[in-house]
Amino acid sequence: GAVVSQHPSWVICKSGTSVKIECRSLDFQATTMFWYRQFPKQSLMLMATSNEGSKATYEQGVEKDKFLINHASLTLSTLTVTSAHPEDSSFYICSAREQDITRTQYFGPGTRLLVL
Amino acid sequence: GNSVTQMEGPVTLSEEAFLTINCTYTATGYPSLFWYVQYPGEGLQLLLKATKADDKGSNKGFEATYRKETTSFHLEKGSVQVSDSAVYFCALSDPYNYGQNFVFGPGTRLSVLP
Repeated sequence: GAVVSQHPSWVICKSGTSVKIECRSLDFQATTMFWYRQFPKQSLMLMATSNEGSKATYEQGVEKDKFLINHASLTLSTLTVTSAHPEDSSFYICSAREQDITRTQYFGPGTRLLVL
Repeated sequence: GNSVTQMEGPVTLSEEAFLTINCTYTATGYPSLFWYVQYPGEGLQLLLKATKADDKGSNKGFEATYRKETTSFHLEKGSVQVSDSAVYFCALSDPYNYGQNFVFGPGTRLSVLP
């Protein structure tokens, strides 16, 4: 099956710093990638849709200046958490969508962010 | 809009027991249906999928049949193992409804005891 990687898998940073998370589709091209946030024992919350070559589409309530998304190629999307604060600590998961009628999403392994 | 409903968890079973996790959906179009599994501390893995009515998805002993008449996609496994302990998410993708990319259920936590 299709493989999606994320890097880093774990990051600990100080409050006020910025953190970049990479999401790569390793064996297929993805014009669309998604960024999710997951709180403990909860389902995934869609943050934004990342479109290759254009601006990301953010869900209601997600600050686009806080969570910067760049989808510069068909295999890479990045999420930058700017000026991170402890409340940004969470598990961030990306996915990449296949370009077929089923629109199957393949997920990365997730990045756990802890802001001190 | 489209939605997915899953049975409330957690579900606790003994090893080798039969598993059913119910999933029903509401969709305006003809969605594709998915089951994803999330092991502790990991991302989601695609477990199986079905793209049209009466299709059966299967993988690793798990099965689910796309039932349009009952708008259901229940997950089953005949004999669970301790290693199946995880959270299971039912999801749908409606290719004709571009306003909703993917809709997840709330997840069902499964614990299998030895």
